[in-house]
Amino acid sequence: SQQGEEDPQALSIQEGENATMNCSYKTSINNLQWYRQNSGRGLVHLILIRSNEREKHSGRLRVTLDTSKKSSSLLITASRAADTASYFCATDMGRRALTFGSGTRLQVQP
Amino acid sequence: DGGITQSPKYLFRKEGQNVTLSCEQNLNHDAMYWYRQDPGQGLRLIYYSQIVNDFQKGDIAEGYSVSREKKESFPLTVTSAQKNPTAFYLCASSPTEGTGTYEQYFGPGTRLTVT
Repeated sequence: SQQGEEDPQALSIQEGENATMNCSYKTSINNLQWYRQNSGRGLVHLILIRSNEREKHSGRLRVTLDTSKKSSSLLITASRAADTASYFCATDMGRRALTFGSGTRLQVQP
Repeated sequence: DGGITQSPKYLFRKEGQNVTLSCEQNLNHDAMYWYRQDPGQGLRLIYYSQIVNDFQKGDIAEGYSVSREKKESFPLTVTSAQKNPTAFYLCASSPTEGTGTYEQYFGPGTRLTVT
């Protein structure tokens, strides 16, 4: 079962613009994580936000979490062509394993 | 040089054959995971293990089997009972502390094609 659903499914922007992608989930969570996947590769962890946190920053990344709406957003500021990848949210529902969403494919045009 | 290795990168098998995918980590992580990814899709959890000699079924365990005899190794066998085995298989590991989950470290994946 896919707990998280990302929106949009695909996003194309110009270099220098900001990219925002959203994740909605269905059940209560302990934490929510965002991962990045370059085509045909393994995933790389970007950021983890706990259920009692509302916002977290890491470099050009900003993540928000709204547990009342069961949603999270990932903002990438000043995007670069190298940011082109698929981005996935993953939730910890307390079973000691993550459940991944379907991903947002981001294309940054140089 | 720490990390997770998966081998081989590409694997081709005939229908009806069992095949075992290798996953090794030297990160000293207790937890290990296997996921399946189909084209344009997210990851689906096959099996996971929090400790040696123990593992749990994920969301799509049917047709797969695992073992966890060593902390460093978590091989996945795709059996002939798996109806649609062609996919990209990803292994991951993570530290464990209490009952929470932590960031997962992924291997480069194995692309399995069954014809």
